[in-house]
Amino acid sequence: DTAVSQTPKYLVTQMGNDKSIKCEQNLGHDTMYWYKQDSKKFLKIMFSYNNKELIINETVPNRFSPKSPDKAHLNLHINSLELGDSAVYFCASSQVLSGGYTFGSGTRLTVV
Amino acid sequence: GQQLNQSPQSMFIQEGEDVSMNCTSSSIFNTWLWYKQDPGEGPVLLIALYKAGELTSNGRLTAQFGITRKDSFLNISASIPSDVGIYFCAGQTETSGSRLTFGEGTQLTVNP
Repeated sequence: DTAVSQTPKYLVTQMGNDKSIKCEQNLGHDTMYWYKQDSKKFLKIMFSYNNKELIINETVPNRFSPKSPDKAHLNLHINSLELGDSAVYFCASSQVLSGGYTFGSGTRLTVV
Repeated sequence: GQQLNQSPQSMFIQEGEDVSMNCTSSSIFNTWLWYKQDPGEGPVLLIALYKAGELTSNGRLTAQFGITRKDSFLNISASIPSDVGIYFCAGQTETSGSRLTFGEGTQLTVNP
């Protein structure tokens, strides 16, 4: 069973569209994250939720809106997609007091 | 925010050689982690370090938490072709909560 699964794996869409990426973890972790990896492979945190509550909200355009219906799920909705949004988006989870994250396999978003 | 300087950016080595990479920071960290990312996948945790001076091994991998708490290194001994990938250091400070800050990554290429 996949510990952190995100869908879709690939997403190609036109500028201006709205799209969502879904993430689910079956590890029983209480904290989930969204990270963005740019073309230079740099990993930057976007959001973090602990037990459905937003605890980290980095400087991200408000076109990006995370939603956590329960502690096992964290979805990312993006409005009015722009070319610069093209990147790989990773979902991850952890227990708050433990250092290690478990990452999903990523969603490669390409905006054309 | 905290920044982690990871070096080298890339390495090209022959199979069987030993490899060393490191991370430094101007801030004090209380957790250091090392991850490996294979192409098309998310980062996978290799080693976690929680105490200054701690030296931990995982097979051919050895990592140390620097005494000053501002650096860490990862060594890979007797490299093999499947060691190819991007290696990331990551850390948490006392005030960062569950937030992980990542280094820029070291791209490792192993020639058979």
